[in-house]
Amino acid sequence: AQKVTQAQTEISVVEKEDVTLDCVYETRDTTYYLFWYKQPPSGELVFLIRRNSFDEQNEISGRYSWNFQKSTSSFNFTITASQVVDSAVYFCALSPVNAGNMLTFGGGTRLMVKP
Amino acid sequence: DAGVIQSPRHEVTEMGQEVTLRCKPISGHDYLFWYRQTMMRGLELLIYFNNNVPIDDSGMPEDRFSAKMPNASFSTLKIQPSEPRDSAVYFCASGDSGPSTDTQYFGPGTRLTVL
Repeated sequence: AQKVTQAQTEISVVEKEDVTLDCVYETRDTTYYLFWYKQPPSGELVFLIRRNSFDEQNEISGRYSWNFQKSTSSFNFTITASQVVDSAVYFCALSPVNAGNMLTFGGGTRLMVKP
Repeated sequence: DAGVIQSPRHEVTEMGQEVTLRCKPISGHDYLFWYRQTMMRGLELLIYFNNNVPIDDSGMPEDRFSAKMPNASFSTLKIQPSEPRDSAVYFCASGDSGPSTDTQYFGPGTRLTVL
């Protein structure tokens, strides 16, 4: 069985602060994908990143960075110099690397960035 | 390229009525997924199709729910009869199983309210 845990249900920061969203997962698969999606107040789910389990290199995209540590089964997401537009619910998700790629989502972390 | 298209965006109906939600996946994608999002249960996979064929419908809550994909560019999720507990946001997502993608892209969702 697969499981994704986002222990932080809600985080509040002031603009320009750095913030890290935690994600811990469980899976018996030897290869798998990890994802982050953003759900802004408008409600749509926006794909942010996909990571393959055999690639533990950290990734940076602008103010966003992701830290994947297989040893601790974690895939954390950091926003540097947060902005009000970053306010959203962020979901971490896991899927097997096979046909179908059924996503197992975490419960989400609501990030509020105050001006 | 257009993203996943869902209609209607909002639906309000009365208990006992039939509800049909519609989805047009991204052109060329061979997988289509239906998810439901509620506060209590988060994001749940209901059913998914591969090349228009239903592969796993174990997430469909009960016989009142049915889904079809008559062709590669259209899918429906039907609830008959609807009940208040069906109130949720229903997302459609599509994906390409090619090794360079394996990512699901979500539509804007349909917010269903059953009175």
